[in-house]
Amino acid sequence: QQPVQSPQAVILREGEDAVINCSSSKALYSVHWYRQKHGEAPVFLMILLKGGEQKGHEKISASFNEKKQQSSLYLTASQLSYSGTYFCGTERVRDDKIIFGKGTRLHILP
Amino acid sequence: DGGITQSPKYLFRKEGQNVTLSCEQNLNHDAMYWYRQDPGQGLRLIYYSQIVNDFQKGDIAEGYSVSREKKESFPLTVTSAQKNPTAFYLCASSIVGRALSSYNEQFFGPGTRLTVL
Repeated sequence: QQPVQSPQAVILREGEDAVINCSSSKALYSVHWYRQKHGEAPVFLMILLKGGEQKGHEKISASFNEKKQQSSLYLTASQLSYSGTYFCGTERVRDDKIIFGKGTRLHILP
Repeated sequence: DGGITQSPKYLFRKEGQNVTLSCEQNLNHDAMYWYRQDPGQGLRLIYYSQIVNDFQKGDIAEGYSVSREKKESFPLTVTSAQKNPTAFYLCASSIVGRALSSYNEQFFGPGTRLTVL
């Protein structure tokens, strides 16, 4: 029941854009996005709730299509600091836990 | 400073021994979680607790046990029944659980890397 993330890995040059997708086979109540640097703990980026609007700050934003049970994370004009592994976490309706995907490795080249 | 601490950072044990990983938080969070991370597998939920003296199994609870005697502490024991215990273990907490968990981010500790020889 893990959500499926795509792509598994992506390499970009600094300044390029990236999109990371997350899809679930179950109806979702919310989607969480986290970023993890190598050897460090995951860090929260944002939560998207059912019925909510697209969220984001600065050059990282996300959308949540409830009907398709999909979410996408958008990284615009990527910076070197964006490198890391991005995880989406999904919460089903009336559930009280988050199930994380396997992650998308993003590497930004100078 | 508020946060989550996990100790030790690296742990080595012989096969067949039980080992307990520590997780402490001073964020006054109600919910706490244990995840296991293996290369290419993401974060898999082992156990979680919404309130003191209560906890639920996650997706991969076999071979693990937990306790929640205090709000700030949620230790994880890796028993000898766990077939592949070598992994990176992450503890997390959030403000509330149940239906309100969607509104709150999870804060993660630095993790413990367990190696069973």
